[in-house]
Amino acid sequence: KAGVTQTPRYLIKTRGQQVTLSCSPISGHRSVSWYQQTPGQGLQFLFEYFSETQRNKGNFPGRFSGRQFSNSRSEMNVSTLELGDSALYLCASSSWQVGVGANVLTFGAGSRLTVL
Amino acid sequence: AQSVTQPDIHITVSEGASLELRCNYSYGATPYLFWYVQSPGQGLQLLLKYFSGDTLVQGIKGFEAEFKRSQSSFNLRKPSVHWSDAAEYFCAVNQAGTALIFGKGTTLSVSS
Repeated sequence: KAGVTQTPRYLIKTRGQQVTLSCSPISGHRSVSWYQQTPGQGLQFLFEYFSETQRNKGNFPGRFSGRQFSNSRSEMNVSTLELGDSALYLCASSSWQVGVGANVLTFGAGSRLTVL
Repeated sequence: AQSVTQPDIHITVSEGASLELRCNYSYGATPYLFWYVQSPGQGLQLLLKYFSGDTLVQGIKGFEAEFKRSQSSFNLRKPSVHWSDAAEYFCAVNQAGTALIFGKGTTLSVSS
């Protein structure tokens, strides 16, 4: 079974630009979560999508947005990039369903964003 | 508010020595508990998880963890560390339908 695939793996942008990151979950997984990882703040939850609906949202400004498509693939977008947005962005998928046990996340390798 | 504390930022152990990484959580109810490992430049790999039942859980790569409700702890252990265990380790908690919350991580170095 293929794992969680994130593209691109590395990218460099300049301040003020926008960026879109893509995540393909494990086949059959309908839940996709996004995390930002930085040396200072650690792993911070951005949002989670389940069946094309945002189910949970972290404490990030509106410049950070996401969506999920009918095939469960997800994208996240960051507009008006700031230097502080430089981070590893991790996507995770799970087979969690409402009312059925724990949400066990399987992570992708991440997209490393550098903002200059 | 829910939180996870990993008191040790960096630990160095000798190869072959035992290892214990500490994790304490603050949560309204008994959460689901996880340990993940991250090698440089990689994503996170699940080592083990605790949902309920036996408080000592076994994971991959020879790791185990013990849930202690009275201490709100979920410490990770390994009896004999290998050089390939050098990585960053994260403790995490959630409940059904909620986001996974991570600790700040503990970096493990292994000396020969």
